[in-house]
This record gives sequence, C-alpha cells and structure tokens, in this order.
Amino acid sequence: AQSVTQLGSHVSVSEGALVLLRCNYSSSVPPYLFWYVQYPNQGLQLLLKYTSAATLVKGINGFEAEFKKSETSFHLTKPSAHMSDAAEYFCAVSAGASGSARQLTFGSGTQLTVLP
Amino acid sequence: SQTIHQWPATLVQPVGSPLSLECTVEGTSNPNLYWYRQAAGRGLQLLFYSVGIGQISSEVPQNLSASRPQDRQFILSSKKLLLSDSGFYLCAWRISGELFFGSGTQLSVL
Repeated sequence: AQSVTQLGSHVSVSEGALVLLRCNYSSSVPPYLFWYVQYPNQGLQLLLKYTSAATLVKGINGFEAEFKKSETSFHLTKPSAHMSDAAEYFCAVSAGASGSARQLTFGSGTQLTVLP
Repeated sequence: SQTIHQWPATLVQPVGSPLSLECTVEGTSNPNLYWYRQAAGRGLQLLFYSVGIGQISSEVPQNLSASRPQDRQFILSSKKLLLSDSGFYLCAWRISGELFFGSGTQLSVL
C-alpha cells in the first residue's frame, strides 16, 4: 500500500521568494516519486521524478526536489518564485516503474499563488 | 513522438443524459491507459485503467463505465449522468512509470 500527503492545500509566496511545497509519502517498497504541475483547465505536466538514482532531482522551470528516505519526504523547491509558477502542484508515489497497470497514487494537491 | 488526444474540451450536459468522452494516443502501441477525475477542490481520483483491448479495471463503484475498443482508444461513458458526475476528466497513458496526460474535459452536469 502507498499514500501521499501534501501539507498545505494553499501556499502563497511573493514573487522572488523561495517556493517550498511539502510532500510526505508512505510505501511498502522503494518508491518512485513524482511532482506534476497543472495550469488552469489543462492536463498535468511532469515537473520532475525520482527513480532511485540521485536523491536531489532537478526538473523543469527551475524546480528541484530532494528525496529523504529517513523523513519519507519529497519536498519541491524553487529558489525564486515567478508569477508564471502560479498553478496547482501534485505529488505522486508509485511502487516502482514497471510497465504494468500499477497506478500512481496522487496527493490532494497544493495551489500555489505568487503575489506581486 | 507520442501524443494523447482528448475531446471534447468542455461539455455541458443535463442530468439523465448519456456521456461519451474519447481519448486516443499516437506514437505507441499497447499503452496502459487511465481515466482520472478531478472534482472541484479535490485531487485526482483514478476511475479506470486498461492494460489492453477489452481489459478494464474499475477503481471505484460509480455511474460511469469505460471501454477500450481499440489498442489506442479509451472511452469513458455513462448511460445517465448525475449531478455528482461534474468534474474535470483526464485521460492518461503510462510508460516507464511516467504518466502523460491529455488536456482534459470539463464536464458540467446541470
């Protein structure tokens, strides 16, 4: 069994400030972890993924996330927020990356607002 | 390259009417396909997934059904829509553990 908890359904930051979106997971096997971004009325786009290689993962648009096994966390960060970062962000966990129908488990999402 | 198409983008339907949402993928064969729903203010809920033609797994009991008549086609249906079926529906396919999403259908049941 696996689950994902995203702390904070809404996060607001000022433009230029640090972005920190929190994600904690539970998994009975070594997990694969993902962050997705969703802009209004659009599908989800993959930001980055952890697949048991480097624990610090760099993604698109300047985002990165660090896998911390001891804390069962995979928090998403960006040093300096941009207005275009305003969107909803989803953390997801998967028990491996096989081509089977084993689905991802998504968190409930965090809506990021960037203030001018 | 692989692409996923989903239509329509928006749909307004009366309660009790039927529903058919279509999703097709290109540039791949035998994909694992998924239907998700986002209700307002909620995360993603997996509705159905399919590993092949005619193979459908339902994740939650509901008023909806899914079919996979062709390898790269996945259809979400309902015989009679309920108000609670309103939401944003997303089709996705998965390869190497990564999900690729369609652009979604905003369904409003009135």
